[in-house]
Amino acid sequence: GDSVTQMEGPVTLSEEAFLTINCTYTATGYPSLFWYVQYPGEGLQLLLKATKADDKGSNKGFEATYRKETTSFHLEKGSVQVSDSAVYFCALFSGGYNKLIFGAGTRLAVHP
Amino acid sequence: GAGVSQSPSNKVTEKGKDVELRCDPISGHTALYWYRQSLGQGLEFLIYFQGNSAPDKSGLPSDRFSAERTGGSVSTLTIQRTQQEDSAVYLCASSSGQGTGGYTFGSGTRLTVV
Repeated sequence: GDSVTQMEGPVTLSEEAFLTINCTYTATGYPSLFWYVQYPGEGLQLLLKATKADDKGSNKGFEATYRKETTSFHLEKGSVQVSDSAVYFCALFSGGYNKLIFGAGTRLAVHP
Repeated sequence: GAGVSQSPSNKVTEKGKDVELRCDPISGHTALYWYRQSLGQGLEFLIYFQGNSAPDKSGLPSDRFSAERTGGSVSTLTIQRTQQEDSAVYLCASSSGQGTGGYTFGSGTRLTVV
């Protein structure tokens, strides 16, 4: 069945460092891809999305490009801040299943 | 409402008791989802409601779990005879269509079974 695999955390970075969180997927058809973020004590928030191959989603300095050839949707940010500390979830929307399928989440800790 | 509202935010219950968790979705959203997030784990799909269609219950872990959605709006997730392994954060989400635009999540209910 459809699935999402993302890099294990925690990822620990210093402020202003470059961030990459890897995400790959397995799906039949052409899913939409998402990154959600969960700040401490809060629910999940949609961070960015891409609905077709080569689309780039971006928000708050984060970017991810839908790569069909490598079935990937890696999350990047050029300069992280302490306030970016959170858990990041990669997800795909599978039309065959009519639901979001999530990866296990990657915890990011940014230190001053 | 402005967002997805879940209540209670925290619930501590004794093993063997029944609990009800409530979700109030965004007004007009036809799709409603329940997920479970166990400590250190990802999100596990539980159940999906879409309009007046029969719900997709394929993620419910046992027959102790049930959910209903009244009037196409508020949903209640019921766990009967709670067990310690039911301890988790239960998240509700709603969307305006088939979910291709992303979901809006509530803040969750943290359930602790002692």
